[in-house]
Amino acid sequence: GEDVEQSLFLSVREGDSSVINCTYTDSSSTYLYWYKQEPGAGLQLLTYIFSNMDMKQDQRLTVLLNKKDKHLSLRIADTQTGDSAIYFCAEKIGGYNKLIFGAGTRLAVHP
Amino acid sequence: DGGITQSPKYLFRKEGQNVTLSCEQNLNHDAMYWYRQDPGQGLRLIYYSQIVNDFQKGDIAEGYSVSREKKESFPLTVTSAQKNPTAFYLCASSPWTSGEGNEQFFGPGTRLTVL
Repeated sequence: GEDVEQSLFLSVREGDSSVINCTYTDSSSTYLYWYKQEPGAGLQLLTYIFSNMDMKQDQRLTVLLNKKDKHLSLRIADTQTGDSAIYFCAEKIGGYNKLIFGAGTRLAVHP
Repeated sequence: DGGITQSPKYLFRKEGQNVTLSCEQNLNHDAMYWYRQDPGQGLRLIYYSQIVNDFQKGDIAEGYSVSREKKESFPLTVTSAQKNPTAFYLCASSPWTSGEGNEQFFGPGTRLTVL
């Protein structure tokens, strides 16, 4: 079946690293995405990783993929108050452009 | 500026009324999507369209209808048959390919409240 799970809440201190985790169940996933949603706004694509990659780094963002365990993580280095938002993990299934989203992780950054 | 626009940002509707949410994109994307977002839940797909004059039901299509008469536009009608329409509605678009670069881009959303 298709299911994406995330923890619902994460609190970090400003300047620390944040790690947001996601697990998925469909082994036919081709791409996995991280989106950011600020209050009352649409989703902004942060980064994505192809399923045959283990890691992707983009400035402060590092994505790690463990395909064997179907585990995806997003690390944000030097977390800032502007990073406070909801982060959604999503998987793309097979040849379709259909995305399955997790429930989102609310990241709170405090001084 | 290229992007996706949704209007209105806030919409109030009385029970029993149909209401149409607008979504327009100037990204020249073939595919467009409508999602519904409820608190504490991920996005759920309502309808999607790969090309003009064609659309497919998503996971929660009951009580909704769409049309795709133009590539740029994909309006969503929330009908009186939708039992619990109060939600945040998000429109997205993407190129329709199986390769890299077909990520979905989202509009700012419309918050619908049924009174």
